[in-house]
Amino acid sequence: AQSVTQLGSHVSVSEGALVLLRCNYSSSVPPYLFWYVQYPNQGLQLLLKYTSAATLVKGINGFEAEFKKSETSFHLTKPSAHMSDAAEYFCAPPMEYGNKLVFGAGTILRVKS
Amino acid sequence: NAGVTQTPKFQVLKTGQSMTLQCAQDMNHEYMSWYRQDPGMGLRLIHYSVGAGITDQGEVPNGYNVSRSTTEDFPLRLLSAAPSQTSVYFCASSPGAGWRQETQYFGPGTRLLVL
Repeated sequence: AQSVTQLGSHVSVSEGALVLLRCNYSSSVPPYLFWYVQYPNQGLQLLLKYTSAATLVKGINGFEAEFKKSETSFHLTKPSAHMSDAAEYFCAPPMEYGNKLVFGAGTILRVKS
Repeated sequence: NAGVTQTPKFQVLKTGQSMTLQCAQDMNHEYMSWYRQDPGMGLRLIHYSVGAGITDQGEVPNGYNVSRSTTEDFPLRLLSAAPSQTSVYFCASSPGAGWRQETQYFGPGTRLLVL
């Protein structure tokens, strides 16, 4: 079963700065990878997903992620952080029957004014 | 559509008490799951179901029971609550057809405090 590793449990950026949240995956080329976002006191919602159609994936709220096979990475980026981006972000492999490990540990993004 | 709903939103239990966390979805999704979220631990899968009558264990199933008698409902039972079960619990569902590519839809969560 696939798994993902998120590097950095907390990331702090200034408003207007680049956001970079790191995710690396294990296994052979995965057909699907996901980023979810959790705003304070809410459930998770889909930010974007990779489905092999294109290596650069655009999501909601100006976020995008690039699938890089050579680096086994699927890092999440946004050119200019906004205060409303403060949330926890989760990288996830696809759901597979019998796979009990289905989410990365999460990265809390703090945006400073 | 209401999506995924969870009740209650918040619950306080005493050690040894039992309770059921309710989860329902109105999207006719085949796949449903329960997670717990703890600080520094991320989301951990407790139990999941690929359809009515079929359930299986996740990463942290001990102390929890589930059943899936209908497509819509997937309750989570705590048989004898322990302080270690203090957490935020999320229910999620996904369509299930070709489910490796499916997006999961999450409920708003239930905050449980066990004293």
